[in-house]
Amino acid sequence: NAGVTQTPKFQVLKTGQSMTLQCAQDMNHEYMSWYRQDPGMGLRLIHYSVGAGITDQGEVPNGYNVSRSTTEDFPLRLLSAAPSQTSVYFCASSSGFRGEQYFGPGTRLTVT
Amino acid sequence: QQPVQSPQAVILREGEDAVINCSSSKALYSVHWYRQKHGEAPVFLMILLKGGEQKGHEKISASFNEKKQQSSLYLTASQLSYSGTYFCGTELGYGNKLVFGAGTILRVKS
Repeated sequence: NAGVTQTPKFQVLKTGQSMTLQCAQDMNHEYMSWYRQDPGMGLRLIHYSVGAGITDQGEVPNGYNVSRSTTEDFPLRLLSAAPSQTSVYFCASSSGFRGEQYFGPGTRLTVT
Repeated sequence: QQPVQSPQAVILREGEDAVINCSSSKALYSVHWYRQKHGEAPVFLMILLKGGEQKGHEKISASFNEKKQQSSLYLTASQLSYSGTYFCGTELGYGNKLVFGAGTILRVKS
């Protein structure tokens, strides 16, 4: 099993550009989530999904969109990138909310 | 709403013990602990549930005081591999959202 995969690993965007961060898991997990990590801030939940077709907002959803059309994939879309979105983004999945979350390797995003 | 972790950082020598605390101002349904090494993804350590159930790795010890809204992670006989940043995540309202603390940096020296 590959576990949780994320692409790309690194990305540089200019302010105003849009892009999609990809996340996929092969463990048939229902629960998936997106976090961003900034120095000294810990992990902050952006959006999460409890199954295909079901998504909800986390702590810091503004500027991001998600959809979940399959169990395996949970892409995160940045609508119009801003320097404040410079961060490391982690995708995670688990068999349920109160289960072990498996994190992907992360995407380091810089917005100039 | 972010839980408060203490200490912010701790340095140990191999074989020493450490306690990392996580406290919240709101009632907790569960507390989740993760460790992250530099440049890597967080790795699951343990979940403590309201009512006393625990899920996690056998070598990790933790407590959850529901009344005090606190959890503590106990690292005994520390090894070099224990170095990293430890995060607690708290489930504030019954549901699917975790709010993580800012982390505790642990460094174990030989």
